[in-house]
Amino acid sequence: SQTIHQWPATLVQPVGSPLSLECTVEGTSNPNLYWYRQAAGRGLQLLFYSVGIGQISSEVPQNLSASRPQDRQFILSSKKLLLSDSGFYLCAWRIGGAFRNTEAFFGQGTRLTVV
Amino acid sequence: KNQVEQSPQSLIILEGKNCTLQCNYTVSPFSNLRWYKQDTGRGPVSLTIMTFSENTKSNGRYTATLDADTKQSSLHITASQLSDSASYLCVVSDSSASKIIFGSGTRLSIRP
Repeated sequence: SQTIHQWPATLVQPVGSPLSLECTVEGTSNPNLYWYRQAAGRGLQLLFYSVGIGQISSEVPQNLSASRPQDRQFILSSKKLLLSDSGFYLCAWRIGGAFRNTEAFFGQGTRLTVV
Repeated sequence: KNQVEQSPQSLIILEGKNCTLQCNYTVSPFSNLRWYKQDTGRGPVSLTIMTFSENTKSNGRYTATLDADTKQSSLHITASQLSDSASYLCVVSDSSASKIIFGSGTRLSIRP
C-alpha cells in the first residue's frame, strides 16, 4: 500500500529564517507530487507540482521554492520567511502518467507560524 | 485563468436535514471533478469523482452531480449527521492530469 509522510506537523519560525518542509511517498513509483498552502478558513492554493525528478512547475510567484531530488521526495523551501508565509501546508501525491482520474492523497499537513 | 468557485462559503444546518453545495469551474481542458471532505487540521479525503461523461454519482448519503456544459457541480448531503461537519472542497483536474485546482471550500456545520 502507498503512504505519504509529511513533517514536521507544526513549526514556529521567526521572520527571515529559512524553511524546509519534507514530503516522502512510499509504495509507488514516479508519482505526481504537489505542494498546497491553505490560509485559515480558505481553500487550498496550489503552489508547486512535479511530474518527475527535477521537474518543478510553479503556480504562484512567491517567496517559496520546491525541489524533487528523488522520485518520491518533494521539498518545500524558503531562504527567508515572511509573515505572510504562515499557513497550513499540504503535500499530496497521485499516480502519474495516463491514469488521469486517480485520487490525490494528502499528507497530514504542516502548520507553519511565522513570528 | 483556471478557477474553481464554491458556494456558499459556510452553511449551518440541523442534524437530519439535507443540504446542497455548489461548485462552478473554468478549468479547461477538463478532466475530472472531485469532492473532498476536510476535517479541521487534517488533509482532504476524496468523497467522489466525476468525469466528463458522468452526470451523477452517489457515495452513501453523498450525491454529486455534474453539468459539463455549464461547468457546474453540486454535492447533496442527505440526512446530515454531526460527523458531516467539515469543509467540503471541489477539486478540478485539467486533462494533462498534472494540475489539481481546489475551490475555496464550503464550511458545513451540523447542529444537534
